[in-house]
Amino acid sequence: GQQLNQSPQSMFIQEGEDVSMNCTSSSIFNTWLWYKQDPGEGPVLLIALYKAGELTSNGRLTAQFGITRKDSFLNISASIPSDVGIYFCAGYQIQGAQKLVFGQGTRLTINP
Amino acid sequence: GAVVSQHPSWVICKSGTSVKIECRSLDFQATTMFWYRQFPKQSLMLMATSNEGSKATYEQGVEKDKFLINHASLTLSTLTVTSAHPEDSSFYICSARGASGYNEQFFGPGTRLTVL
Repeated sequence: GQQLNQSPQSMFIQEGEDVSMNCTSSSIFNTWLWYKQDPGEGPVLLIALYKAGELTSNGRLTAQFGITRKDSFLNISASIPSDVGIYFCAGYQIQGAQKLVFGQGTRLTINP
Repeated sequence: GAVVSQHPSWVICKSGTSVKIECRSLDFQATTMFWYRQFPKQSLMLMATSNEGSKATYEQGVEKDKFLINHASLTLSTLTVTSAHPEDSSFYICSARGASGYNEQFFGPGTRLTVL
């Protein structure tokens, strides 16, 4: 099935640095969801976006729904050790079955 | 966010036996539940979608006779892996979505299945 193109696949940063990751698609999406998954756990919903151009924050996390409806980004400011994990973007397409389409994930590693 | 629980969190079984995994939405009514499978270092792969009281819809390539799904109520769905074999060993994650106008989907903590 279709997957979203999520980049980068992995990031190695220093504690305190800002992080940016994004997802793109060739299709239009009407909802973007960003999840974080820790090892051995299920994904936890971080931010949900419903309108083109929408910019939403959750603490140090900020995500935006792209104007073209084909992309979204997630920023993490002033990273801390507990931010380590895998971040997935996911979304629902306007056309087609209401199944969540996932990106490949971004693995974030933080050096203390 | 809404809470989804899964039980058991891990299970080890012998080849040929069946294993049942429960998924519950604890504080909302889940009109739709989803079952995913995840291999190491990979994204989630949708296995099937179920609506309360209806038969599950399976993704292409997923054997419906092997992975039995029952969505008996608005808060409970079960996945039964029948006649499990070592290749069925994986991380299984359920997800639930409510009837609200928003498309938020909440995931359970996952079940690690190991078939010997």
